[in-house]
Parts: sequence; C-alpha cells; structure tokens
Amino acid sequence: NAGVTQTPKFQVLKTGQSMTLQCAQDMNHNSMYWYRQDPGMGLRLIYYSASEGTTDKGEVPNGYNVSRLNKREFSLRLESAAPSQTSVYFCASRDLYNNEQFFGPGTRLTVL
Amino acid sequence: KNQVEQSPQSLIILEGKNCTLQCNYTVSPFSNLRWYKQDTGRGPVSLTIMTFSENTKSNGRYTATLDADTKQSSLHITASQLSDSASYICVVRQTGANNLFFGTGTRLTVIP
Repeated sequence: NAGVTQTPKFQVLKTGQSMTLQCAQDMNHNSMYWYRQDPGMGLRLIYYSASEGTTDKGEVPNGYNVSRLNKREFSLRLESAAPSQTSVYFCASRDLYNNEQFFGPGTRLTVL
Repeated sequence: KNQVEQSPQSLIILEGKNCTLQCNYTVSPFSNLRWYKQDTGRGPVSLTIMTFSENTKSNGRYTATLDADTKQSSLHITASQLSDSASYICVVRQTGANNLFFGTGTRLTVIP
C-alpha cells in the first residue's frame, strides 16, 4: 500500500500560470480532501469530495478548482496562479470506520 | 467561535527528557480530538485519538490526556528521542461529517 501519493513534490510557477496538483489513494476511501498549510496557521480546507462524483467547497476555495476523477484520484487545479497561493498543499483521504484522515507527503508550491 | 489553540509554539529539549504539549479548544459540539505528528517535509500522521469518554490514551512513549469539561488536552512525550523532533498538531472534530479544526502546532526540537 502506497497510501496517499501526491505529484509533484515541488513546483515553481509564475503569476498567471496554471497547473494541476495530482493526488491518488489506494485505501479504497470514499472521502478525499485538499488542504493548504501556511506558516503560523493551521491546515485549511480548500475543497473536499465526500464520494466519487461529488465535490464541495471548504474554508478557502477561491482561486481553485477540483476534479474527483474516480474513487482513487482527486486533483486540484490553479487556473491563474497568484503569489498568495504560495503554500504547501496536502491531499488526504478518510477512513470512515475510525474517522482518521491519512495525508499525502505534500506539494510545495511557489508562485513568483 | 470554534478554535484550537496550542502551546507552546516551539520547544527545545534535551534527548532523554520528558515534555508536555498543550491543546485548548472551543469546538462544540465535540466529537473527538486527535494528535498528529508532522515530520519536516512530510504529511501529518495520527498518533492518537481521544473521544469524549476517554481521559488518557497511550501510544508507546506518547500519552494523550483529555479533559472534556475544561476542553483541554495534553500530549506527554517520555524519554524523548532525536526522532521526536517534529511538529505536533492537535485536531478537533466537530460533530458532523467534515468539520475539522486544526491547531497551528507545536514545533519540538530534541537536541543531543
């Protein structure tokens, strides 16, 4: 089991560029999440998907879009990157049985 | 307002010493509280979960306590090791499917 995997690990973008962060899990979890982590702040929820085919906004969705491609994959897209989106992005999936979220290793994104 | 506050923000201890990290929350209604360990450059990993009826739970050298009346939790680390150097994040789940509240974490550094 690889758990939750994310690609890429690092990315540098220029303002206005677009990119997609990829996330996949092999634990057969229904729910998946995207968070961002900034210095001095707790993890903040961007979007989540309670099950395949559904997505919902979290606390900080502006500037992002998501796609739940299938049960395994949940991608996060930045259409026009801004310096304020410089952050570390974590994908997670949730085990409904014990309510535990399993996190990926993160993507460190810098927008210049 | 639902909040999770952790103290101290950072802590440096000598290898072999014990330490205690604090978490105070105002989240209501309360479902459970988890402590996560986040190594530098990695995603958070769950250490322990506390539900309303539990006062103490251990996971090896980690012992978590919960006082649901005062809305306080602590994480005690015994006989610290260099590998304990990490950020420790307190996460409180509100009753409801997707309401998680994250603390900003305590950065622990264990020095030889």
